[in-house]
Amino acid sequence: GAVVSQHPSRVICKSGTSVKIECRSLDFQATTMFWYRQFPKQSLMLMATSNEGSKATYEQGVEKDKFLINHASLTLSTLTVTSAHPEDSSFYICSASQPQGNQPQHFGDGTRLSIL
Amino acid sequence: AQSVTQLDSQVPVFEEAPVELRCNYSSSVSVYLFWYVQYPNQGLQLLLKYLSGSTLVKGINGFEAEFNKSQTSFHLRKPSVHISDTAEYFCAVRVNSGGSNYKLTFGKGTLLTVNP
Repeated sequence: GAVVSQHPSRVICKSGTSVKIECRSLDFQATTMFWYRQFPKQSLMLMATSNEGSKATYEQGVEKDKFLINHASLTLSTLTVTSAHPEDSSFYICSASQPQGNQPQHFGDGTRLSIL
Repeated sequence: AQSVTQLDSQVPVFEEAPVELRCNYSSSVSVYLFWYVQYPNQGLQLLLKYLSGSTLVKGINGFEAEFNKSQTSFHLRKPSVHISDTAEYFCAVRVNSGGSNYKLTFGKGTLLTVNP
C-alpha cells in the first residue's frame, strides 16, 4: 500500500530555534500534500495544503510566515516552524494524496515537537 | 461546506463484545467517506473507505461500515473487538470530485477502549 514517511518523529529544542519537518511519499507521486496539527486528545486541524510547484494554501488563522511550506518535488514536502516558541509545541502530521481523484489521503507517523 | 459529527467521544467495551462507532455527516454535495484509526503517538491509518457502489464496506482488522444516504450516516462496526483495537477512531469526508486536492473534514474522534 501507499506509504508516507515523516521525519523526524520527535524534536526537542530551545525556544527561538527553527525546525524543519520532512514528508515523503515513498511509492507514489503526490501532487498534493497536507499538513495538520493535532492538540492532545483533539482532532486534526488542517494547517495548509501544499501543491507541487506552487505556493501552499494556508487555512484561516495559520501564520504563513511562521509555518513555511515547500513542495519542491512530487515526493517531498517540508514544513519549517520558524523561531519556534513553547506554544508551537504540538503533534504535526502530514498526508499525501495520489493523483487519482478518489484516492484516500495517506498519513505519515507524525512529529512530536517540544519547544523548551 | 461539509461537517462530521461523531456522537460518542469515548466508547468503553469489553473484549470480544461487538462495537459500533457512530458517524453522521452533512454536505450539500456528494462525498467520499473514510474511517481512520490512530494509535498513541502515531499518524492515521486508513481502516476503510466508501467511494461508490455497495453501501457495506469492509476494511482492515475486521471492521466494516455501512453508508446510509438517507440518514447521512457512516457507522463503523466490529462484531468482536480485541484489546489491540484500543485507539482513537476518526470519521472523515471529502468532496466527491475528480481532483485530488480536496480537503478532508474530520470528526472529533472517538476513543475506543477495550477492557479485558
